[in-house]
Amino acid sequence: DVKVTQSSRYLVKRTGEKVFLECVQDMDHENMFWYRQDPGLGLRLIYFSYDVKMKEKGDIPEGYSVSREKKERFSLILESASTNQTSMYLCASSLGFQEEKTQYFGPGTRLLVL
Amino acid sequence: GQNIDQPTEMTATEGAIVQINCTYQTSGFNGLFWYQQHAGEAPTFLSYNVLDGLEEKGRFSSFLSRSKGYSYLLLKELQMKDSASYLCAVRAYSGGSYIPTFGRGTSLIVHP
Repeated sequence: DVKVTQSSRYLVKRTGEKVFLECVQDMDHENMFWYRQDPGLGLRLIYFSYDVKMKEKGDIPEGYSVSREKKERFSLILESASTNQTSMYLCASSLGFQEEKTQYFGPGTRLLVL
Repeated sequence: GQNIDQPTEMTATEGAIVQINCTYQTSGFNGLFWYQQHAGEAPTFLSYNVLDGLEEKGRFSSFLSRSKGYSYLLLKELQMKDSASYLCAVRAYSGGSYIPTFGRGTSLIVHP
């Protein structure tokens, strides 16, 4: 079974704090993704990575950065958290070729920024 | 960019059939996915279509027409546990990678 884990299910932070969200997958997947999910807006791609040390901006990268030092781990960083970053954050991974049929999602981290 | 459209909410009766539509506009199309997401949980994969036609998997079927930019998810013999959000996602080739973009999801409510 593919497993994608995220470091926290719930997180409460204050405005201006630096926040790290960690994601680990155990299936040697090349691609990893960070999404945020908000009511009425669906899943929106923040950043993705198709290889170690590689990163690409998604649709809403502003206010975020990422790090992929090892293949199994993809970190999302909020340099200075703001209240509009309160959201559900979902990590996903997939194999790197076009025939791959699905992404595998982690359980999500619900972040509240006060 | 991509434009993916699906209804916000649908209701149906236990035992009935429901069809959830998804329309899209994209370049570099490389497959369409349907995911199911129960409240508070992660999305889970349901189906994948890359060629035109119907893919059947138990009570769930998914259809694709690439020329029309259209897909639907068909759920038969509805059960209460099918109450969930259904996400349509279109994968496209962009900048050397295959990237899925999600619609806003359709919340399905199944009532007795």
